[in-house]
Order: sequence, then structure tokens, then C-alpha cells
Amino acid sequence: EAGVTQFPSHSVIEKGQTVTLRCDPISGHDNLYWYRRVMGKEIKFLLHFVKESKQDESGMPNNRFLAERTGGTYSTLKVQPAELEDSGVYFCASGGTGGYIGTEAFFGQGTRLTVV
Amino acid sequence: AQSVAQPEDQVNVAEGNPLTVKCTYSVSGNPYLFWYVQYPNRGLQFLLKYITGDNLVKGSYGFEAEFNKSQTSFHLKKPSALVSDSALYFCAVFSSGSARQLTFGSGTQLTVLP
Repeated sequence: EAGVTQFPSHSVIEKGQTVTLRCDPISGHDNLYWYRRVMGKEIKFLLHFVKESKQDESGMPNNRFLAERTGGTYSTLKVQPAELEDSGVYFCASGGTGGYIGTEAFFGQGTRLTVV
Repeated sequence: AQSVAQPEDQVNVAEGNPLTVKCTYSVSGNPYLFWYVQYPNRGLQFLLKYITGDNLVKGSYGFEAEFNKSQTSFHLKKPSALVSDSALYFCAVFSSGSARQLTFGSGTQLTVLP
């Protein structure tokens, strides 16, 4: 079974540019989550999709971040315009209909974003 | 609000010795506790979880963790460390009384010395 796939694995962009991260969840998983780890700190929740709907976007830092999940399949996270403090590792996770209870969320390998 | 604390940024242990990576949590409802590991250039990998039942949970690669409700702790342990266990370890909590998201600690870098 294919796992959660994220790409690119690494992106280096200049401040002010736009970057789009993509996440392909495990097939059939309704729940999709985005998390971010800024250098040396905890992994922080960004948002949660259930199918194509945003269930919880309370962790999105500001309106420069836009997440979509067209058709309830893959998801994209766009940062526009990128700032230096956006640098970090962005993780995507997917889970089945039970959410976290009784199951574990499956994480991708992450996208390391560096804004210079 | 829920929170997780991993008090040690770095843990060093000699190969063959037992290891412990500490985690304490704070939640308003019943806690569901997880350990994840990140090897270099790899994604977060699930190790084990506590949902209910036996306080001692066994997971992948010989790791185990003990849920202690009175101390609100969920320390990760292994009886005999391997060099290949060197990685970044994250504790996470999910509460039945909260939104359906994991809250992570800041991570502990484990280095097993040969």
C-alpha cells in the first residue's frame, strides 16, 4: 500500500515568491492534516480536511497560506508571498474515518521549505 | 487546551544500555498518546500509541511506553539501545475532549553511541 506522498521534498525560494506544496494521502483516507515544524520547535497543527471540506483551520498562521483539497483527494498548500519565518518542514498526514482514535495518522516525509 | 512537554532536547546513551525519552502531557479529557520517530531524511513514523487498557504499551523496534495517569507522563523506553535507534522522537497527544488534531512536543534527539 502506498503511503502519504509529499512533494517537493525540498524547496528553496526567495522572499516574496510563491510556493505550492502537494500532499497525496493514502487512498480512501477522508482525513488529511497539514502540520509544520519550524526549526527546533514543536510540530504545529495547521489545518484538517475531511474529504474536501476544511474541518479545522485554526492553526493557519495568516492569510498568506491557502490550502485546498479538490475532490477530496490530494491537497495543496500555497504560501503567497513567502516570508523568511515560513521556513520549516511541512508535514502532511492522512487518517481513515476513525480519525486518530483507534488508529494512527500516517505521515508523509515532509517538505523542507527554505525562504531566503 | 492540550499540551505536550519533552523536557530533554538531547539524550545520549551508550549502545546496549537502556534508554528513556521523557514526555508529559496536559489535556482536559481522556488522553490518547502517541510516539513518532523521524529518521534522517525520512518522514514521521508511528511507533506506538496508548488509547485505553494496559498502561504498558509495546510498539515497533522493541520500544515500549508506560502511561502514568497520576504523573501525566508517557515516557518512551527501550531495554537495550541500538545505534540505529538514533533519531528524533516526538510525543503527541490527542484528547477526546478536543478538536481532532494531534498536539506534539518539541522533539528529543536521541543519539546512541557505539
